[in-house]
Amino acid sequence: GDSVTQMEGPVTLSEEAFLTINCTYTATGYPSLFWYVQYPGEGLQLLLKATKADDKGSNKGFEATYRKETTSFHLEKGSVQVSDSAVYFCALFTGGSYIPTFGRGTSLIVHP
Amino acid sequence: DAGVIQSPRHEVTEMGQEVTLRCKPISGHNSLFWYRQTMMRGLELLIYFNNNVPIDDSGMPEDRFSAKMPNASFSTLKIQPSEPRDSAVYFCASSSDPGGGTDTQYFGPGTRLTVL
Repeated sequence: GDSVTQMEGPVTLSEEAFLTINCTYTATGYPSLFWYVQYPGEGLQLLLKATKADDKGSNKGFEATYRKETTSFHLEKGSVQVSDSAVYFCALFTGGSYIPTFGRGTSLIVHP
Repeated sequence: DAGVIQSPRHEVTEMGQEVTLRCKPISGHNSLFWYRQTMMRGLELLIYFNNNVPIDDSGMPEDRFSAKMPNASFSTLKIQPSEPRDSAVYFCASSSDPGGGTDTQYFGPGTRLTVL
């Protein structure tokens, strides 16, 4: 079946540091890939997505590129802020499937 | 749009009591999902409705859990009787008709359930 593997957290960084959160997947067919973010006390919200190979999703300074050859969708940001502290979930959705597959989530803590 | 609305936001109850969680999806969305989130197990899908019909309830832990969607704008998740191990944050999410593989899920703020 489909699966998503994320790096374990927490990831702890200082403000303005470079961020990478790794995400790899296995899927039948050609999935769409998503990053969701969950701020403390809130529900998940879509951060960015990519629907086909080599697409780059971007939002709020975050980027991720859909790499079919390595089955990866790593999340990056050039300079993190304290306000980016949250849990980040990688997810996939395969056409024909009704249910998305989420990773376990990676906690990011950014210190001033 | 107000987004997905869940109530209550917090619920504290005693073991053995009945608990009902409520969800109002985004207007026009015809898919609804109930999730449970815990530190140990992460985010788990409990049940999925499409056009008010339960399509997949394989994630419902046991018979103590039940979910209904009587109309397109309302769903409930009921636990009877509740147990301490049911303590978690329960999320409702909605989306437009899936199958195209590009659908975004919109999550509510969650209900934090504590069973004493």
